[in-house]
Amino acid sequence: RKEVEQDPGPFNVPEGATVAFNCTYSNSASQSFFWYRQDCRKEPKLLMSVYSSGNEDGRFTAQLNRASQYISLLIRDSKLSDSATYLCVVNAGNNRKLIWGLGTSLAVNP
Amino acid sequence: ETGVTQSPTHLIKTRGQQVTLRCSSQSGHNTVSWYQQALGQGPQFIFQYYREEENGRGNFPPRFSGLQFPNYSSELNVNALELDDSALYLCASTSYRGEQYFGPGTRLTVT
Repeated sequence: RKEVEQDPGPFNVPEGATVAFNCTYSNSASQSFFWYRQDCRKEPKLLMSVYSSGNEDGRFTAQLNRASQYISLLIRDSKLSDSATYLCVVNAGNNRKLIWGLGTSLAVNP
Repeated sequence: ETGVTQSPTHLIKTRGQQVTLRCSSQSGHNTVSWYQQALGQGPQFIFQYYREEENGRGNFPPRFSGLQFPNYSSELNVNALELDDSALYLCASTSYRGEQYFGPGTRLTVT
């Protein structure tokens, strides 16, 4: 089993749609969780840190389920500019190393 | 922007050569990580430096080596370049909350 697994997609959705990305992780000792966004041929950029109670930032909502070792990212009212690859990232237990998923590709269409 | 800078932005080398990539971390961040990202893949962890010491390494051969300096800037050195080393090399500095902030990357092409 991979340490961090994501559905690779691609997800093709119309503008205004709601889309959800899921991610599972294998290390139950992981303490920190993040979603990053990466545009084509650019560096990853931090989208959200994921807190145990779940958190929301505008149209973006992240949730964590420790029991199931599962993280989600919900995007509401999708915009064309949301088209990118979304990477799920988990820390490797009690050190500062991060484990990256392969990413989920999203294309928002007019 | 993240405040993390990398140089050069692009580089072309031939097989067997050596390369040095540089990274300046965000002010106050004492941890730097290096990643290799091939086209269509997620970033692969190479190694991490914390206060000038290597603090974790991924599955990369010894010809990938690094340094961190007292000002927390860092270098990645790759010896005996192979065609498969062609990739985007990313440097990230880590905040106290464990969030990583990336530089724009160095795109290395090995011919």
